[in-house]
Amino acid sequence: GQSLEQPSEVTAVEGAIVQINCTYQTSGFYGLSWYQQHDGGAPTFLSYNALDGLEETGRFSSFLSRSDSYGYLLLQELQMKDSASYFCAVRANTGGFKTIFGAGTRLFVKA
Amino acid sequence: GAGVSQSPSNKVTEKGKDVELRCDPISGHTALYWYRQRLGQGLEFLIYFQGNSAPDKSGLPSDRFSAERTGESVSTLTIQRTQQEDSAVYLCASSLGHGSNQPQHFGDGTRLSIL
Repeated sequence: GQSLEQPSEVTAVEGAIVQINCTYQTSGFYGLSWYQQHDGGAPTFLSYNALDGLEETGRFSSFLSRSDSYGYLLLQELQMKDSASYFCAVRANTGGFKTIFGAGTRLFVKA
Repeated sequence: GAGVSQSPSNKVTEKGKDVELRCDPISGHTALYWYRQRLGQGLEFLIYFQGNSAPDKSGLPSDRFSAERTGESVSTLTIQRTQQEDSAVYLCASSLGHGSNQPQHFGDGTRLSIL
């Protein structure tokens, strides 16, 4: 079957750097995506990795190692507004192209 | 431009009733997805449309759930004989294509409460 694991909660202080890890198990891997969701809001797309290595988008970076079935989201210069839930997601070829989301990591940014 | 629109935003109904949830995707987006999110949990894949066809219905929890899409646009998710465990936020997303590199754009969801 397909599954993703990520920590349930992470706490960090404003201005710091935080890393949210994601390990996955799936058949037919087609890339790892990250989404952010504020309380009561809709998930919004952050980044996508299809190949090994680091992708940088402003304060956010995402890393993938396909051989380790592992990725992470790196948030730099944390701001209070970054307090949200972060989900990793993979596309699995199960006859269709089901998207599987992790359970989410709740990030608390403290002043 | 307009984003993904879902209606109603909130729905409260009695157990046993049927409900219909609507999703208007971003114009031109050929792929459309439905997810269920219970309080404090992740997104549970329900069904995915490419155009008007659904290549993957494997996420539908039971035969009480069905979905259709017409005109490569609007989609409706129908839940028959609702049960209390159906209470959740139902999220719709669309993407330009079905490639895994295509970001999914989400609506604000329909919050469904079954009494």
